[in-house]
Amino acid sequence: ETGVTQSPTHLIKTRGQQVTLRCSSQSGHNTVSWYQQALGQGPQFIFQYYREEENGRGNFPPRFSGLQFPNYSSELNVNALELDDSALYLCASSLGRAGDTQYFGPGTRLTVL
Amino acid sequence: AQSVTQLDSHVSVSEGTPVLLRCNYSSSYSPSLFWYVQHPNKGLQLLLKYTSAATLVKGINGFEAEFKKSETSFHLTKPSAHMSDAAEYFCVVSEGNNDMRFGAGTRLTVKP
Repeated sequence: ETGVTQSPTHLIKTRGQQVTLRCSSQSGHNTVSWYQQALGQGPQFIFQYYREEENGRGNFPPRFSGLQFPNYSSELNVNALELDDSALYLCASSLGRAGDTQYFGPGTRLTVL
Repeated sequence: AQSVTQLDSHVSVSEGTPVLLRCNYSSSYSPSLFWYVQHPNKGLQLLLKYTSAATLVKGINGFEAEFKKSETSFHLTKPSAHMSDAAEYFCVVSEGNNDMRFGAGTRLTVKP
């Protein structure tokens, strides 16, 4: 059984640029959730995708967008990067049922200069 | 909306002594509660999960947590700390929707 994987591991961008982060869900899982973890804080929910449709969103602006593919892998896109977007971005997969355990990937460390 | 408060930002124990990490939650419904651990430069790993079954939940690596509805608490304990337990621990609440609310985390230090 393959766990959740994310790419790239690290990324450095400059303010105003756009970035795409990728996530492959655990085998058999049809739901992917994205979180932002700023330094010294707990993860904050960005949004969730279930069977290629957005299935809930946290308090993040529209420049944070996502996509889920038929194989249930997912992308997180962030436009017009700001310095405060510097964080660890975590992807988690689950079976999609409400309250199901989410399994996390190792994260992508994004630095915005 | 649900929320979580982890009462200690940092806990330090000696190897072989008990561990107690405290968590209080707020929820309008019967929540699911989780504890996750995050080692440096690693992803979050599930320690245990409560979903309205037994109030005492046993997890991996000797950890357990007790759900106390009257106190709205879900404290994490371990009888004997090991050096490898040093990490960041997160308490999480979910009301059965897709929004899992994380606490701010408790850093556990284990002294030899």
